[in-house]
Amino acid sequence: SAVISQKPSRDICQRGTSLTIQCQVDSQVTMMFWYRQQPGQSLTLIATANQGSEATYESGFVIDKFPISRPNLTFSTLTVSNMSPEDSSIYLCSVGWTASTDTQYFGPGTRLTVL
Amino acid sequence: DAKTTQPTSMDCAEGRAANLPCNHSTISGNEYVYWYRQIHSQGPQYIIHGLKNNETNEMASLIITEDRKSSTLILPHATLRDTAVYYCIVRGYTGRRALTFGSGTRLQVQP
Repeated sequence: SAVISQKPSRDICQRGTSLTIQCQVDSQVTMMFWYRQQPGQSLTLIATANQGSEATYESGFVIDKFPISRPNLTFSTLTVSNMSPEDSSIYLCSVGWTASTDTQYFGPGTRLTVL
Repeated sequence: DAKTTQPTSMDCAEGRAANLPCNHSTISGNEYVYWYRQIHSQGPQYIIHGLKNNETNEMASLIITEDRKSSTLILPHATLRDTAVYYCIVRGYTGRRALTFGSGTRLQVQP
């Protein structure tokens, strides 16, 4: 299985600001995904982070609000831009579907609170 | 991917087996059944997956009915640390697509 770390683990931010979340994997992976989990809800996929090309966003999520970078096969960032209290959530990085694993693994998450 | 139906919540006594059901009546032949769990505020943890045969690993057993329309995740000796939300997900094996999570079953293990 892959070991995934995220930074920061939690943050409290003011509305109108932006936060960049980092995801680091201990091995090279093709597929990286970003999820959001709003309070008391299940996980919702934000986007698939593609190495060397633009991320693929799910319905309801746009690049201007959630820009994603994927500079190499072990690292990705998700930025939450122009934050509002409705962005208060846990943001989760996930990897998987490699040649050696037919499932997904998740990072510990970043708990974001927007005041 | 086929939809799944799970009970909203279940209780289980510590030390007893926890049997978590999942209905996936529209599953197709190439779709796998995956189980994950999420302990409070942590990232989801992979438990087990299977196609049509029963599967067992160090965490749990997965029993899939012969018609594949339902399955049961079995935690043989539940502990308080097994208290979590358990997600049953059906996914086709082809294509590098992300898992889609439903609302899951909240399992409360009672002392």
